[in-house]
Amino acid sequence: GAVVSQHPSWVICKSGTSVKIECRSLDFQATTMFWYRQFPKQSLMLMATSNEGSKATYEQGVEKDKFLINHASLTLSTLTVTSAHPEDSSFYICSARSGSLGGETQYFGPGTRLLVL
Amino acid sequence: RKEVEQDPGPFNVPEGATVAFNCTYSNSASQSFFWYRQDCRKEPKLLMSVYSSGNEDGRFTAQLNRASQYISLLIRDSKLSDSATYLCVVNRRGGADGLTFGKGTHLIIQP
Repeated sequence: GAVVSQHPSWVICKSGTSVKIECRSLDFQATTMFWYRQFPKQSLMLMATSNEGSKATYEQGVEKDKFLINHASLTLSTLTVTSAHPEDSSFYICSARSGSLGGETQYFGPGTRLLVL
Repeated sequence: RKEVEQDPGPFNVPEGATVAFNCTYSNSASQSFFWYRQDCRKEPKLLMSVYSSGNEDGRFTAQLNRASQYISLLIRDSKLSDSATYLCVVNRRGGADGLTFGKGTHLIIQP
């Protein structure tokens, strides 16, 4: 149980395009989803916290107008990287949390590798 | 000062040896502590939570010292499959907050 999927697993796009990444909790309802990114040889960094039906809370330094987050249901959150540029190339990982599964454990998706040319 | 600091390694250890990793965190208000494992180009996977009383899961033992803001992980009888990056992770406000990750310690178990 507690499986989180992400789609796509990798994407290559041209500079200036927008990319949407989906994060789904497959067998549980995620009251909270988190979005992280990881640059090569760096730690995972929290980008934003998303609660179903409300606006996401962004970490300092993360542009909310560039990284659009929608958490429309208890099983789906999307991250849209708008007008992507090469410096946005990174490994984007979501996690989902459900209190009903016990405690504060976050279950991670497999990640999405974004390469902006 | 970084929120979570770890020695990046790499630690090169022969199979069967015991290896220990340490981590320090800066936020004294931190509430929950974890060790995650991350394999190359994969997502992190929870290895174990860390409690003040210390806890053990098979070959893995974790310790937390709140006074020193220090977390440790001990791996006994290391296996080749233990080769990975071990991430020290802190949750500032319990489950309500996202996780703060260290950069990780790279472990290589050699045959």
